[in-house]
Amino acid sequence: DADVTQTPRNRITKTGKRIMLECSQTKGHDRMYWYRQDPGLGLRLIYYSFDVKDINKGEISDGYSVSRQAQAKFSLSLESAIPNQTALYFCATSDPTGGDTEAFFGQGTRLTVV
Amino acid sequence: GQNIDQPTEMTATEGAIVQINCTYQTSGFNGLFWYQQHAGEAPTFLSYNVLDGLEEKGRFSSFLSRSKGYSYLLLKELQMKDSASYLCAVRAATGANNLFFGTGTRLTVIP
Repeated sequence: DADVTQTPRNRITKTGKRIMLECSQTKGHDRMYWYRQDPGLGLRLIYYSFDVKDINKGEISDGYSVSRQAQAKFSLSLESAIPNQTALYFCATSDPTGGDTEAFFGQGTRLTVV
Repeated sequence: GQNIDQPTEMTATEGAIVQINCTYQTSGFNGLFWYQQHAGEAPTFLSYNVLDGLEEKGRFSSFLSRSKGYSYLLLKELQMKDSASYLCAVRAATGANNLFFGTGTRLTVIP
């Protein structure tokens, strides 16, 4: 089983709909992140959390919200989806007490807003 | 602000050596990472440099020069499975120590 699991893996939704992307991890890491990836733009940070109930805005947080109710779970919501939120979304975790503290990524959620 | 530059695409021949460059300008510096990402898949960690010099790990090596804001990833004995995007990421020395990613270099290995 993957250490960082995202659901759903693929989703098509209509403009104006609310949608939630889920992320769960079994790595026991405190830090969790949501990124989006667009062709030619690379990975951009949406929100991050360093602990339960800790929420911080990233580079591109407008139009998104997150919830960190448990160490293992970090969900991303689009309150009213719009077409330019069509992208590949990745959840990631890291452990600041580790030597390299690299980020571990989930398999991604491909979201299409029509 | 953060600015990370790397070439968009590269092509190399199976069995050859390829060097992928990355230059960066960031608000402080606290480490540079290289990730490999196959199309539609998650990025996977390749290497980490925080001090100047070369880090070698099997067929892959990564070099860092902090004074020049420069890194490269060297792939030796290229294999077809090395066709992927290679992402350069810098950890800025801000309170959050977040990673900032370049746009990635898509490497195509040809027979």
